[in-house]
Amino acid sequence: DARVTQTPRHKVTEMGQEVTMRCQPILGHNTVFWYRQTMMQGLELLAYFRNRAPLDDSGMPKDRFSAEMPDATLATLKIQPSEPRDSAVYFCASALEFPTDTQYFGPGTRLTVL
Amino acid sequence: AQSVTQLDSHVSVSEGTPVLLRCNYSSSYSPSLFWYVQHPNKGLQLLLKYTSAATLVKGINGFEAEFKKSETSFHLTKPSAHMSDAAEYFCVVSDRGGGYNKLIFGAGTRLAVHP
Repeated sequence: DARVTQTPRHKVTEMGQEVTMRCQPILGHNTVFWYRQTMMQGLELLAYFRNRAPLDDSGMPKDRFSAEMPDATLATLKIQPSEPRDSAVYFCASALEFPTDTQYFGPGTRLTVL
Repeated sequence: AQSVTQLDSHVSVSEGTPVLLRCNYSSSYSPSLFWYVQHPNKGLQLLLKYTSAATLVKGINGFEAEFKKSETSFHLTKPSAHMSDAAEYFCVVSDRGGGYNKLIFGAGTRLAVHP
């Protein structure tokens, strides 16, 4: 049963620390998405990759957030330095662009910045 | 631009009674529409998807949704609620304006199921 995996599942850190979240997309999927979920804003798209290339990161605060795909099996989302307002659940999703492009979500990383 | 409105933030039903979760969308072209479900502390799971084939779409766990273009609606229904259906449900429209399948999420409807 193929699924998206994310690590860590929970992260508590102090303001100013670096946070790295990891995602393993479903094998063979060529698109990867990062989302953030908060009570106030709901689900927001942060970044989109196709074939490991970042094509849309307009939803991501550029000064402190960065997203990369070092290889086809790993996507990372990094926050440096972290702030309390970054506290949220971060989801990764992957999809095979053709023919169905349905996105499959990971279980999320719950981040708390104190 | 595409958008989606979920008309109820909370819905409460009794076990065994029908479920109706309402969703209206706005799209400048023929959209792809989805319903995702999120159980507490879990990721989002795809319930069903509409992509301009049959207007009545059947999903998992007995859910179905009907695409009504004249009403710009995509309401989710289930004939008989089960306790395990208690979760948050998201109506989603895809926006291909940027050349890829960007999902636009509704605010969510929290479904409570009472014994």
